[in-house]
Amino acid sequence: KNEVEQSPQNLTAQEGEFITINCSYSVGISALHWLQQHPGGGIVSLFMLSSGKKKHGRLIATINIQEKHSSLHITASHPRDSAVYICAVSSGTDKLIFGTGTRLQVFP
Amino acid sequence: EPEVTQTPSHQVTQMGQEVILRCVPISNHLYFYWYRQILGQKVEFLVSFYNNEISEKSEIFDDQFSVERPDGSNFTLKIRSTKLEDSAMYFCASRKEGPEAFFGQGTRLTVV
Repeated sequence: KNEVEQSPQNLTAQEGEFITINCSYSVGISALHWLQQHPGGGIVSLFMLSSGKKKHGRLIATINIQEKHSSLHITASHPRDSAVYICAVSSGTDKLIFGTGTRLQVFP
Repeated sequence: EPEVTQTPSHQVTQMGQEVILRCVPISNHLYFYWYRQILGQKVEFLVSFYNNEISEKSEIFDDQFSVERPDGSNFTLKIRSTKLEDSAMYFCASRKEGPEAFFGQGTRLTVV
């Protein structure tokens, strides 16, 4: 069983829709990261959180430590949001453990 | 804004050849990492490096792999004798004291 599970694996949306991507993990963590990977392959850090909620522009990330679950929300989605969104956790040692990613496509 | 820089962006090499992937981490960062992503798969940890030595490595990081920080700015990953299955995107990352890591744009390695 993967230590970090994401759902859905693939997601398509119409421009303007509200999007939610979920992440569940089975290990104790010091922090959870949401990352964005564009088609060229580069990885960009969106959020790092260990409790509560963070907001940046149209992106909101929440985490429930007791339930070992995090969500990434995108409000008013746009075609430029199309990318792979990856959940990763820092657990014990300082390496990151990655989920398999959620491929999002937003159509105009 | 400071960033992690990786070169080259794409490397094609023949099976059995040695390759060196280069990274310039953010200058005041202390912890350095290499990760890889085989096409269609998730990102996997290879090795972490702190205080001029390896602090952790995965089972992927066998004797064919080595890392070095030769001059206080570059951080390199060497694969001694490449195999077809080494074809992947290799990411360098660095961080300061806190858990937030910064990633480079990756080097796509193709072994033919």
